[in-house]
Amino acid sequence: NAGVIQTPRHKVTGKGQEATLWCEPISGHSAVFWYRQTIVQGLEFLTYFRNQAPIDDSGMPKERFSAQMPNQSHSTLKIQSTQPQDSAVYLCASSLGDRGREQYFGPGTRLTVL
Amino acid sequence: GDSVTQTEGLVTVTEGLPVKLNCTYQTTYLTIAFFWYVQYLNEAPQVLLKSSTDNKRTEHQGFHATLHKSSSSFHLQKSSAQLSDSALYYCALMDSNYQLIWGSGTKLIIKP
Repeated sequence: NAGVIQTPRHKVTGKGQEATLWCEPISGHSAVFWYRQTIVQGLEFLTYFRNQAPIDDSGMPKERFSAQMPNQSHSTLKIQSTQPQDSAVYLCASSLGDRGREQYFGPGTRLTVL
Repeated sequence: GDSVTQTEGLVTVTEGLPVKLNCTYQTTYLTIAFFWYVQYLNEAPQVLLKSSTDNKRTEHQGFHATLHKSSSSFHLQKSSAQLSDSALYYCALMDSNYQLIWGSGTKLIIKP
């Protein structure tokens, strides 16, 4: 079991550029979650898919952030026109989706916007 | 809506002494699962403890927690802190949509 895979591990972009982050959930897990973590804000929920369908995107900044899950083996988080305040560690987690099942986190992608 | 409160942002404990990290919650649902996650430096959060049973003690890696629905609490404790316990600890509850509602986290520093 390889665990949740996130690529790239580190990404540096210039202000205004686009960043795409990838997540491969644990095989057989039906739920995928995206979080953002900063020292100031802590762990922030962004969005959630179950069986590839978007369930809740209430944490997503509406204008520049989007997430997709085109198949059960990967999800992407895209940030358009990145800003310095987008700098953070973006964490992906997956779970079996049943009530009470814990989420397993990937190692995260550290995004730095210059 | 549901919420989780961790009152201490930073807890410093001397090695060998007991540790207690507080976690209280508010929820509108009757059946809920609760978690403690630990995040070591430069690593991802990982589940430490999990419980959904009222008044039942759950233990793992020397830590224990008991869900008390009467007081809406799920405090994390350890009888003797080790230097390797230094980490960021999150309390979380799972709502009916299988989403985790997270506390703000408590940084635990164990000093020699």
